[in-house]
Amino acid sequence: GIQVEQSPPDLILQEGANSTLRCNFSDSVNNLQWFHQNPWGQLINLFYIPSGTKQNGRLSATTVATERYSLLYISSSQTTDSGVYFCAVSGTASKLTFGTGTRLQVTL
Amino acid sequence: DVKVTQSSRYLVKRTGEKVFLECVQDMDHENMFWYRQDPGLGLRLIYFSYDVKMKEKGDIPEGYSVSREKKERFSLILESASTNQTSMYLCASRDTGWVVFKYFGPGTRLTVT
Repeated sequence: GIQVEQSPPDLILQEGANSTLRCNFSDSVNNLQWFHQNPWGQLINLFYIPSGTKQNGRLSATTVATERYSLLYISSSQTTDSGVYFCAVSGTASKLTFGTGTRLQVTL
Repeated sequence: DVKVTQSSRYLVKRTGEKVFLECVQDMDHENMFWYRQDPGLGLRLIYFSYDVKMKEKGDIPEGYSVSREKKERFSLILESASTNQTSMYLCASRDTGWVVFKYFGPGTRLTVT
């Protein structure tokens, strides 16, 4: 199956700082999503981005499908951005394969 | 605006007990999924179902079974709970033909002692 690697595994930022999270995947995909898991465990879909670039407020994401990686940018981080960020992909199968996540802590 | 619910947020069971985790969705979705989440391992797919009474194994089905008797409900069964099944369990649902996963339950944190 498709392998998904995320980096860094952990990240601590001061409020207001910017960050870039990376996701590498091992095969071509027809779905790539970024999720945020809040401290209460709820998974929230941030982006559906199998290719190209999207922006939503302070967050943006870019996927370069030919090179099999995706980046999630967080600008002007806030404490509410804390949690775990997951990249997840699917190829021809309908199931979603998750990476191991990046745990982000934003401090005051 | 509740979409996907799970029967319990926290559950403590003893080794050897039979455990049922329930997931209910109110969106008439055909596809439902059970994942477990462990630190450093991300979410791993246990079982999924394309329709009523249909099920397929995911990546880590050992020690689990599932039941889908009604479209809105997908149950995960631990036939004889073991301590290595202590984990967070998340359910998801999606309509056939959709690519995007949008709807996840709040999770059940299961502890087996």
